[in-house]
This record gives sequence, C-alpha cells and structure tokens, in this order.
Amino acid sequence: DTGVSQNPRHKITKRGQNVTFRCDPISEHNRLYWYRQTLGQGPEFLTYFQNEAQLEKSRLLSDRFSAERPKGSFSTLEIQRTEQGDSAMYLCASSWDRGEAFFGQGTRLTVV
Amino acid sequence: AQSVTQPDIHITVSEGASLELRCNYSYGATPYLFWYVQSPGQGLQLLLKYFSGDTLVQGIKGFEAEFKRSQSSFNLRKPSVHWSDAAEYFCAVGAWDTGRRALTFGSGTRLQVQP
Repeated sequence: DTGVSQNPRHKITKRGQNVTFRCDPISEHNRLYWYRQTLGQGPEFLTYFQNEAQLEKSRLLSDRFSAERPKGSFSTLEIQRTEQGDSAMYLCASSWDRGEAFFGQGTRLTVV
Repeated sequence: AQSVTQPDIHITVSEGASLELRCNYSYGATPYLFWYVQSPGQGLQLLLKYFSGDTLVQGIKGFEAEFKRSQSSFNLRKPSVHWSDAAEYFCAVGAWDTGRRALTFGSGTRLQVQP
C-alpha cells in the first residue's frame, strides 16, 4: 500500500463549473477526513466519515459542497458552481479508529 | 471551541543549532495534541502526538514535545537541526473526548535552515 492517494493533483476550473476530487485511503482504514488548506494557513476540517457514514460536517461545508464514501472505500468531494474563494488545497486523510491520520498529497484547486 | 496559536510565522536557524517551535492551545478539557510537518506541495506527516501520560513525548526525526497544562502549551523541540528539516510545521488539537474527530490546526510556522 502506497498511502493515501488523491486525484487529480491539480485542477484549474472556470468559475461556475462543478469539480470532483477523489481520495483513495489506506485500504484497512475505516476513517476518512477531508480538510481544506488555503495559502499560509493550517488545514481546516471539512468532513469526516466512519466507514460509509458521514458523521461530522463543518460549517465550512456549504450546500455547494458534497462528499460521499460509497461502500466505505474511496471518497469523492464535489464542489458545485465553484467560486474564486474555493481556490485551495483539498487534503484527504485516513486512519484506523483513533490511530494516526495519514494525509494524502492533496488536490490543488484553482478557480479562474 | 478549541483553538491553536502558533506565535511564530517564520523562524530561521543555523544547521546544527537547537530549535523550539511554540504552540499554545485553548481547550477546556483534556486535549489531544499533535505536531505535523509539511514539505512544499506535500501532504502532512505526523511527527508526534500526546494523548495522556508522560508529558514529554518523543517523535520521529529526533523531535520531541512537552505538554505543559499550566501554560496550555505543547512546544516542539529538536536539539540539532538538519537542512532537511526546512518545512512548515503545524500544531493541532483534537477534542476527541467529545466524540468529535476533527483536528483544529494552527496557522503554521515556516522553518528555514541556514547552512
């Protein structure tokens, strides 16, 4: 297992378009997290899954954002009607229960 | 709600010198504390964590951190810095005793290492 994988690594989109990111966690991990990181800031929590259940969502996760984790494996994060303020690095992490969270390399989104 | 303050945005040290990165947290109950490191364009790697027990925690790459409840601090230290330690360092707190699984991160400290 090579760790948490995120695709694409970079995405440039026009304002108003929809984008979808994918995260493949470490295979035996039951917990999956999404964070957003803007330039010069620490990551900010977006949402958390335990297996396929989405158990926690941040207020940052507006109604334009939706995340899924079908079958408790990979996860997708979709942003509808993108805005320039959505430009950021989107980080995915996974863990086994309360163990260490391993982060992926992130997807950098640029909205033009 | 919990919060984390990293007072130093940018620190420069000479290779071989000692290092201390400051972290102050705000949380009313038992904090779960973490230090992560991020190289440019990369994800975060866990250096060390504190859940309970011994307040001096050893991590990877020769780092250690000390939890001081009276000062609400969790400072990261390394006795001798290597050029490869240049990166961004993030302190984080988790309110895991509440059942929440989110981590709250500080805004980071960028470390430069001079030869």
